[in-house]
Amino acid sequence: QLQLQESGPGLVKPSETLSLSCTVSGGSISSSNYYWGWIRQPPGKGLEWIGSIYYSGSTYYNPSLKSRVTISVDTSKNQFSLKLSSVTAADTAIYYCARHPSMTTVTLNYWGQGTLVTVSS
Amino acid sequence: QSALTQPRSVSGSPGQSVTISCTGTSSDVGGYNYVSWYQQHPYKAPKLMIYDVSKRPSGVPNRFSGSKSGNTASLTISGLQAEDEADYYCCSYAGDYTWVFGGGTKLTVL
Repeated sequence: QLQLQESGPGLVKPSETLSLSCTVSGGSISSSNYYWGWIRQPPGKGLEWIGSIYYSGSTYYNPSLKSRVTISVDTSKNQFSLKLSSVTAADTAIYYCARHPSMTTVTLNYWGQGTLVTVSS
Repeated sequence: QSALTQPRSVSGSPGQSVTISCTGTSSDVGGYNYVSWYQQHPYKAPKLMIYDVSKRPSGVPNRFSGSKSGNTASLTISGLQAEDEADYYCCSYAGDYTWVFGGGTKLTVL
């Protein structure tokens, strides 16, 4: 059974860089059939797609966040990571990692449990 | 790229049917047959309920169905059950390998 688990600091200071990792178990991140994405949800609000990555390293970002986002993959650790720079309180959210089969069919069929990141001094 | 428009809330009694709409533009919902729907219970991760407008993943009850007309996609839940009470989000491909979500709809089972 595929499982995804987010990890990283739960508290980040304003203007700093948020860094999270997603560890995949029960399957290989190098599978040619899947992409790996990040989605966030501010407390009490809706979902927002942040971006996705293919195991080869090809990345796809939400245009509204593109200037601040970097997503990378480490196949040796079966992990992919998110970096969001210059954070503000508006970046406080539950961050989810997820798997999807392509960049067109918006089919997020496996999700991590999510991790809350608070931006505060 | 603006969020897709969903009603803030809908409600129905057990056994009834409810429909949740998701309105976008010709650049997203109307332009592609790539709309998915997610169910989210409190403090849980979202769960895929419908993909490619009307396809159901295995394990999702056939009470859940999806459709699309023009720039508006819809999720219909028939034979409403108490466990269906949750938040529902639509998501659409928006071209150039980008996605956009709806603002979410809270379904209350009366």
